[in-house]
Amino acid sequence: EPEVTQTPSHQVTQMGQEVILRCVPISNHLYFYWYRQILGQKVEFLVSFYNNEISEKSEIFDDQFSVERPDGSNFTLKIRSTKLEDSAMYFCASSGQSQETQYFGPGTRLLVL
Amino acid sequence: DQQVKQNSPSLSVQEGRISILNCDYTNSMFDYFLWYKKYPAEGPTFLISISSIKDKNEDGRFTVFLNKSAKHLSLHIVPSQPGDSAVYFCAAPGSSNTGKLIFGQGTTLQVKP
Repeated sequence: EPEVTQTPSHQVTQMGQEVILRCVPISNHLYFYWYRQILGQKVEFLVSFYNNEISEKSEIFDDQFSVERPDGSNFTLKIRSTKLEDSAMYFCASSGQSQETQYFGPGTRLLVL
Repeated sequence: DQQVKQNSPSLSVQEGRISILNCDYTNSMFDYFLWYKKYPAEGPTFLISISSIKDKNEDGRFTVFLNKSAKHLSLHIVPSQPGDSAVYFCAAPGSSNTGKLIFGQGTTLQVKP
């Protein structure tokens, strides 16, 4: 069964450093998303992406964040200058025609020290 | 932003019994709801959904009920199995039709053998 994959599974970085989180969505999907979950809190929407453009971004997704689909398979989330409060589990998701039925990757646990 | 609320952080039931997980929402414009299940160290997995034109949707052991007047939905699992032990999230699409999902805080279900 097709699945969303994410790398790395864990990332530890120093505050102020740039990180790139990688995702490979399901191959025939059209819509792509990033969510995050801070420990003990709810899953929060960050950004949706369709047709090589951001469809919607949350207020969390400030200028330090960017997304890119550099080729036909990868979907990346970049945080330019990490802050302590960026420590969270980051989930990539993708969907086909039914946008609401999203398939999530296993997540990348980001720890900013 | 508490548009989707799950007021019970945890639930414990005996194997074979019914599990009932509850979810309330505040936005009457929501017209579609989803339940996701999440195991530790994995991403959320789509479980079942319901459109607001229905008041019930059933898939095997899982049934979701929607009460629009009360802005309440519930997920019934019967019979519950130990493998159902996970965190269950209720979610609804945002109004912008970009695929954004708004999640509840989650309920941790423990099914005891």
